[in-house]
Amino acid sequence: TQLLEQSPQFLSIQEGENLTVYCNSSSVFSSLQWYRQEPGEGPVLLVTVVTGGEVKKLKRLTFQFGDARKDSSLHITAAQPGDTGLYLCAANAGKSTFGDGTTLTVKP
Amino acid sequence: GAVVSQHPSRVICKSGTSVKIECRSLDFQATTMFWYRQFPKQSLMLMATSNEGSKATYEQGVEKDKFLINHASLTLSTLTVTSAHPEDSSFYICSARYGTAKETQYFGPGTRLLVL
Repeated sequence: TQLLEQSPQFLSIQEGENLTVYCNSSSVFSSLQWYRQEPGEGPVLLVTVVTGGEVKKLKRLTFQFGDARKDSSLHITAAQPGDTGLYLCAANAGKSTFGDGTTLTVKP
Repeated sequence: GAVVSQHPSRVICKSGTSVKIECRSLDFQATTMFWYRQFPKQSLMLMATSNEGSKATYEQGVEKDKFLINHASLTLSTLTVTSAHPEDSSFYICSARYGTAKETQYFGPGTRLLVL
């Protein structure tokens, strides 16, 4: 059983569209991270959320941590080709646990 | 932010040889380091967790005699792929964390291993 489930697995959209990626679990986490990874590189940390109900914004990216600290979402407004990449959520539960990832392609 | 480096970034070796990959935390002391393996278009698969000065904890299905991990200091961990075979070809990524499980991991840039 996957501890963290991400959806959708693949997403292909046109430049300028909005999108939301979800990260769900039945477990409660003390913190959750979102990373973006480009091909041939390591994941780069985007944000860490720690408080239930927390909302963090990073330019066009909005991250939300569920009230019960079991799920999170990443919303991108007006997506750009530079947003293309693999988006990973990860939770700290003693050891690192990653979701399956969402491969985002933004077409110009 | 915290910086983690990996060396080499790419390595090609012959089947049967051993390959060592280094992971260094450059500006912080890493109490815990993690080693991951990643196949194309897939997420990261945790191989093992290592704490400085103690034996690594391997995930189920990962051969500890095949993938030797040494966490010699608070800034250096090494992964040695012994007697490499073509099926060991993959992208290997390390990460480092300071403090408790609540703290964030910082990832290295990865090492692309190709075994011929």
